[in-house]
Amino acid sequence: GAGVSQTPSNKVTEKGKYVELRCDPISGHTALYWYRQSLGQGPEFLIYFQGTGAADDSGLPNDRFFAVRPEGSVSTLKIQRTERGDSAVYLCASSPSGTPQETQYFGPGTRLLVL
Amino acid sequence: GENVEQHPSTLSVQEGDSAVIKCTYSDSASNYFPWYKQELGKRPQLIIDIRSNVGEKKDQRIAVTLNKTAKHFSLHITETQPEDSAVYFCAASNNAGKSTFGDGTTLTVKP
Repeated sequence: GAGVSQTPSNKVTEKGKYVELRCDPISGHTALYWYRQSLGQGPEFLIYFQGTGAADDSGLPNDRFFAVRPEGSVSTLKIQRTERGDSAVYLCASSPSGTPQETQYFGPGTRLLVL
Repeated sequence: GENVEQHPSTLSVQEGDSAVIKCTYSDSASNYFPWYKQELGKRPQLIIDIRSNVGEKKDQRIAVTLNKTAKHFSLHITETQPEDSAVYFCAASNNAGKSTFGDGTTLTVKP
């Protein structure tokens, strides 16, 4: 079946602009995760959804970052007043139920460049 | 919070040799340890994982060992092939589902 998809694959924006990044999880997966990966580093946890609710948003770096998952499927990561330091690959992952020790399946990522 | 350290950051081996990558973690509550392979510009792909109730797991040329007392786990790749060249990430996860990743090891297998 179809894996996790993310759009756009690349996004170039100017400092101060607003961006939205979209994630389509594997159909039926209730758990969804957002990570940020900077060059030469491992993915850094941002937020985890169980269904429609954010079960853990402790990784969001500041209040410019926000994520929603209104119907428990597609999720959107929103970044306000973008800064050059926000440039990174934003990865989304999903898992069937979010139970402990469950495999997470990653999407291809959105490469964000803030000029 | 959890802290995961991964070594070495780069590893170069000759085709056919073995490669070992080591990770340590800090949170004793972590109980799930996946390993991912990421090729340039691609998504991380799970290659093997281990849960806290076992000490070792093997899948063909890949094995992972876990020492909960010492809080470290290792990835072993035997009979390496050029297509094993990639960046490998370890991660540690607790019951909350959140994963903390190491900074990766760039493995190069020379033909």
